Amino acid sequence: QSVLTQPPSVSAAPGQKVTISCSGSSSNIGDNYVSWYQQLPGTAPKLLIYENNKRPSGIPDRFSGSKSGTSATLGITGLQTGDEADYYCGTWDSSLSVVFGGGTKLTVL
Amino acid sequence: QVQLQESGPGLVKPSQTLSLTCTVSGASISSGGYYWSWIRQHPGKGLEWIGYIFFSGRSYYNPSLKSLVTISVDTSKNQFSLKLTSVTAADTAVYYCAGLDGSGSFFDPWGQGTLVTVSS
Repeated sequence: QSVLTQPPSVSAAPGQKVTISCSGSSSNIGDNYVSWYQQLPGTAPKLLIYENNKRPSGIPDRFSGSKSGTSATLGITGLQTGDEADYYCGTWDSSLSVVFGGGTKLTVL
Repeated sequence: QVQLQESGPGLVKPSQTLSLTCTVSGASISSGGYYWSWIRQHPGKGLEWIGYIFFSGRSYYNPSLKSLVTISVDTSKNQFSLKLTSVTAADTAVYYCAGLDGSGSFFDPWGQGTLVTVSS
């Protein structure tokens, strides 16, 4: 049972837009930055978004992040088959742990 | 470009100690820019943060694992290490080392991960 709640799966057609939610509480998302990671099959997670809405160098602007209250959202536009992956949100918790969501599997139909 | 590489046994017997090392290249572990971290992922499951260490040796662990975990740093070798004692089958996972940014808000970079199986 993950501290942060994500939908197990989302799907959309190529070229479409998808959003992935990450729900927490005032003790984690509500009081800290959120980061997002993409994990392609068989590979290590890769940073996609940091500090709620910033993209590291090399991450296309098709990927965006936002945060409101105790929830965060990852948006992906212009979906490509190469975007099929597991996506995780992460943040600090007042229990003094880094916590992650359970992950969301994106399928590009 | 900072790169991380995990190394260590892929098979550990129950009740023994799991030991892994992460070698850092492209940056000095003493630079102070990162909290050097370990994260694991059980088969088919999500990510679990284990703990981190600063180059000074100050460490912090996931409270749920604290009694079993030790993370250490060897600045002369530009490496940091993980020890997990009294392992069980539930500790079978892919173990990643990663750099937690100095702001403490995100992990980047990550090692490629190493699968450790606990089995007799």
